[in-house]
Amino acid sequence: QKEVEQNSGPLSVPEGAIASLNCTYSDRGSQSFFWYRQYSGKSPELIMFIYSNGDKEDGRFTAQLNKASQYVSLLIRDSQPSDSATYLCAVLNQAGTALIFGKGTTLSVSS
Amino acid sequence: DVKVTQSSRYLVKRTGEKVFLECVQDMDHENMFWYRQDPGLGLRLIYFSYDVKMKEKGDIPEGYSVSREKKERFSLILESASTNQTSMYLCASSFPIVPGQGSPLHFGNGTRLTVT
Repeated sequence: QKEVEQNSGPLSVPEGAIASLNCTYSDRGSQSFFWYRQYSGKSPELIMFIYSNGDKEDGRFTAQLNKASQYVSLLIRDSQPSDSATYLCAVLNQAGTALIFGKGTTLSVSS
Repeated sequence: DVKVTQSSRYLVKRTGEKVFLECVQDMDHENMFWYRQDPGLGLRLIYFSYDVKMKEKGDIPEGYSVSREKKERFSLILESASTNQTSMYLCASSFPIVPGQGSPLHFGNGTRLTVT
């Protein structure tokens, strides 16, 4: 069973700080990686995806991928209370047919 | 905007009933998925389909079946509902997933099913 691991948290940061969310995966053949945000009682919504080693920036969000270490992270700069949610890491399986999700990390940003 | 519509937001069914969860998408997506989400277990893939009349088992298909007679519609069927199938069910759709690229899933609002 291929796995995607995340620290469940909660991760608590003050407003304006950088939040760092981490994810490791077991399938070395995985090629695409996604971060979703899920507010309580809502469906997951895509934040960004990454498939090349290195960093990818989109506004306040930066995804980082290290395939050698099988590690992907999401940095949120200038965290806002509205960023408080559960963040789901998802990895495309090697067959390229479906996303495997981690259990999510709960982020709490205090004002 | 992509719209994925799940027919019911809340459902309450009795043990042993046959339950149908319906999902419709309006973006002509080839791929459709059914996940369930449980506290502490995260999102788990039940079934998916990459074409009409095609279906593939996910990680937890036991007790479920699916039907995809039309491209826009993907139904999840609980043949004989049991209490351990009480969960949030999420339908999603996407274009064909190309390894090495994105092709994000678009989720419906979810159906919270309670089996008593």
